[in-house]
Amino acid sequence: QVQLVESGGGVVQPGRSLRLSCAASGFTFSSYAIHWVRQAPGKGLEWVAVISSDGSNKYYADSVKGRFTVSRDNSNNTLYLQMNSLRPEDTAMFYCARVASSGWSHPFDIWGQGTKVTVS
Amino acid sequence: DIQMTQSPSSLSASVGDRVTITCRASQGISNYLAWYQQKPGKVPKLLIYAASTLQSGVPSRFSGSGSGTDFTLTISSLQPEDVAIYYCQKYNSAPFTFGPGTKVDLK
Repeated sequence: QVQLVESGGGVVQPGRSLRLSCAASGFTFSSYAIHWVRQAPGKGLEWVAVISSDGSNKYYADSVKGRFTVSRDNSNNTLYLQMNSLRPEDTAMFYCARVASSGWSHPFDIWGQGTKVTVS
Repeated sequence: DIQMTQSPSSLSASVGDRVTITCRASQGISNYLAWYQQKPGKVPKLLIYAASTLQSGVPSRFSGSGSGTDFTLTISSLQPEDVAIYYCQKYNSAPFTFGPGTKVDLK
């Protein structure tokens, strides 16, 4: 079935780096833009970043711009989020989410289960 | 950037009640508005997109309306399984901002 599975979370010290992965299956990964969304403990959803289907276009939330980099490997159906200069306020569950159709302007219809990042 | 607000931030209602949640965008977003439901400890689930289109498999007691800057999510008859936090989101362009959420629980 259509699935996204995140990995790579963990506990990391402030200022260090971490790379998250999101493995896709059950659909043509290279046809869809994919987003990263995070949720701090007890807080709401915060959009983090998006990458286009071919990886040529990327956008970031101001809170992570210059520190986080989104990338993808369409040959291996995997999305990445490289997180540098981590701060305690980056502590959150990180979700990858697929858009519902080709292009940018679509809602997020498939979500992974999330991977937890703790900066402490 | 366009800001998304929701009201109320929380509400308590009885089973069978009609529940209405409002979402407002600081600038017009046409109908590029989605609603998500997040139950405790679970992943967000897409309920409604294009402001008023029900996602496949979502019960018909959920409905959405609005365009431009003002949007509404309505649950026509609240059920126990509807206890959740509801988020609106703009998805016309980056940043793909979510509203702060509305927590719905049972009275």
